[in-house]
Amino acid sequence: DSGVTQTPKHLITATGQRVTLRCSPRSGDLSVYWYQQSLDQGLQFLIQYYNGEERAKGNILERFSAQQFPDLHSELNLSSLELGDSALYFCASSVGSGSPYEQFFGPGTRLTVL
Amino acid sequence: ELKVEQNPLFLSMQEGKNYTIYCNYSTTSDRLYWYRQDPGKSLESLFVLLSNGAVKQEGRLMASLDTKARLSTLHITAAVHDLSATYFCAVYYGNKLVFGAGTILRVKS
Repeated sequence: DSGVTQTPKHLITATGQRVTLRCSPRSGDLSVYWYQQSLDQGLQFLIQYYNGEERAKGNILERFSAQQFPDLHSELNLSSLELGDSALYFCASSVGSGSPYEQFFGPGTRLTVL
Repeated sequence: ELKVEQNPLFLSMQEGKNYTIYCNYSTTSDRLYWYRQDPGKSLESLFVLLSNGAVKQEGRLMASLDTKARLSTLHITAAVHDLSATYFCAVYYGNKLVFGAGTILRVKS
């Protein structure tokens, strides 16, 4: 157990809908990262927040947004969902920002869009 | 754009044998990470390599980094069934981790 928690574990929804994924980092970690894992795209970095501020952005679609709250938990919002958004979404946390800090991954949220 | 290539993508090994997984990357970086993922599970951090020539070992796994060759290796010694998993390398570049496609390792008894 990495100490990073994510809810929900599974989410099944329909195309066009909007969902929110939640992540709580390990105690003491200030950075939160979001990743998407799918069979065709592999593991891709989406976005990073450090102490409430956006620090880095990857291949995140405009339909997706994220934020980190004052208590350091983070939410990833996915809207206008498409079939191709079905994937495993991981959150990771680290004590500092970026390298060389080790990132600890949560258990993931499996999103299925029907 | 950074490309991270792992090979092989699939590796079937006999218990007790040694083998090496290779991770090549296209742009200079001296920050490389190895992760393990069991089916349906999360990623577990194995090694963090932060400089040229870095070598780290944990049990039957040893990782090394050659930044000049842009190459990292994950060496498996005397494989056991419990090592069966998918192994990812990831390179830190441009404020983000870029992952390889992963190597699926199956250890057969």
